[in-house]
Amino acid sequence: GENVEQHPSTLSVQEGDSAVIKCTYSDSASNYFPWYKQELGKRPQLIIDIRSNVGEKKDQRIAVTLNKTAKHFSLHITETQPEDSAVYFCADFTGANNLFFGTGTRLTVIP
Amino acid sequence: DTGVSQNPRHKITKRGQNVTFRCDPISEHNRLYWYRQTLGQGPEFLTYFQNEAQLEKSRLLSDRFSAERPKGSFSTLEIQRTEQGDSAMYLCASSSSIPTDTQYFGPGTRLTVL
Repeated sequence: GENVEQHPSTLSVQEGDSAVIKCTYSDSASNYFPWYKQELGKRPQLIIDIRSNVGEKKDQRIAVTLNKTAKHFSLHITETQPEDSAVYFCADFTGANNLFFGTGTRLTVIP
Repeated sequence: DTGVSQNPRHKITKRGQNVTFRCDPISEHNRLYWYRQTLGQGPEFLTYFQNEAQLEKSRLLSDRFSAERPKGSFSTLEIQRTEQGDSAMYLCASSSSIPTDTQYFGPGTRLTVL
């Protein structure tokens, strides 16, 4: 709902390592959780999403997990590459018909 | 290009002037959203349309802001009597009629109010 907390705000990893970003939400009616990647000066682009009837979803090096009981969801990027460097935003969607975004995580992958 | 488009991409204006932005959604999408993004923050919801009907407005949206989608296709966002605090990136997104369907974002209009 209207309160989505995202951590960490910045994250630096060595190329090849994994990165994990976590978000918590407050509205138990939230039922859809997308993750967007935004490169500098560009539009947010969806990279993966999960709906509340699923606990985990994976797409190649990217995965998202959802814990409805604890009201948190996480983005996992494995085998990070320099082109993964960007700002990542989580969001949730409730019956209010719009997305509420987290404050973003700036990921830097060090070659 | 079949994605969401926005015009202009950049707008510089003086305080007190009116500005209007345009969004062209993906053609088959009937939901259209406006968001505002300031530096270092995530997009904040402003308003959304289902076809031509404006169904929700954020309390962030002061009465100086008005949005229209007259024919259920493109949308305009107007800001009257701009203030320096209005400086931001204004993003438009569209999606299908399924509420939890993916929202695709446009490139945004960056507004600078001097």
